[in-house]
Amino acid sequence: DQQVKQNSPSLSVQEGRISILNCDYTNSMFDYFLWYKKYPAEGPTFLISISSIKDKNEDGRFTVFLNKSAKHLSLHIVPSQPGDSAVYFCAATGANSKLTFGKGITLSVRP
Amino acid sequence: EPEVTQTPSHQVTQMGQEVILRCVPISNHLYFYWYRQILGQKVEFLVSFYNNEISEKSEIFDDQFSVERPDGSNFTLKIRSTKLEDSAMYFCASRDDRGSQPQHFGDGTRLSIL
Repeated sequence: DQQVKQNSPSLSVQEGRISILNCDYTNSMFDYFLWYKKYPAEGPTFLISISSIKDKNEDGRFTVFLNKSAKHLSLHIVPSQPGDSAVYFCAATGANSKLTFGKGITLSVRP
Repeated sequence: EPEVTQTPSHQVTQMGQEVILRCVPISNHLYFYWYRQILGQKVEFLVSFYNNEISEKSEIFDDQFSVERPDGSNFTLKIRSTKLEDSAMYFCASRDDRGSQPQHFGDGTRLSIL
């Protein structure tokens, strides 16, 4: 069951540059999409979300883009900072129901 | 900032024993969830709870599992007779009921079945 896919297991970026994390989904019933950040030994921390009626949502250094026709979303972090190094999960839900998660991507930001 | 708290952080139990994982959701939240993450795998949904009853459950959530909100603050997950394959991180989450709102997660309980 791969309704939410994060195809790249890892990404390494230089500090100050842009990090782009990608996510694809297959279930057209999903209407709310979220990004979570996770450090070791901690739970997922909510980062940013987007409703299916929008194509962009911005919060400080973080922007999420949604392309419904392609069933694709991406998280942009600019500028990237070493403290951003973590595992990032894409998640989706329909009708405010359960979250379906991707496998996650490990972001490393090099100083 | 209010947060979801989970206890214990690590639970070691013999196979076949009962285990109860505890969670205190954020106080004004009305929807509660349990998820688990087996090592190296995705975070998987187990069950959602609203208005004192289960609103949705996954196929993982079989008769060995139960949830309860025994008072106004706690939300528990019970596994009646644990199996080796129940070893995982168990995460509790909650959200409020105002439209599309994110779920907020606790730091999890690491369950190790011996």
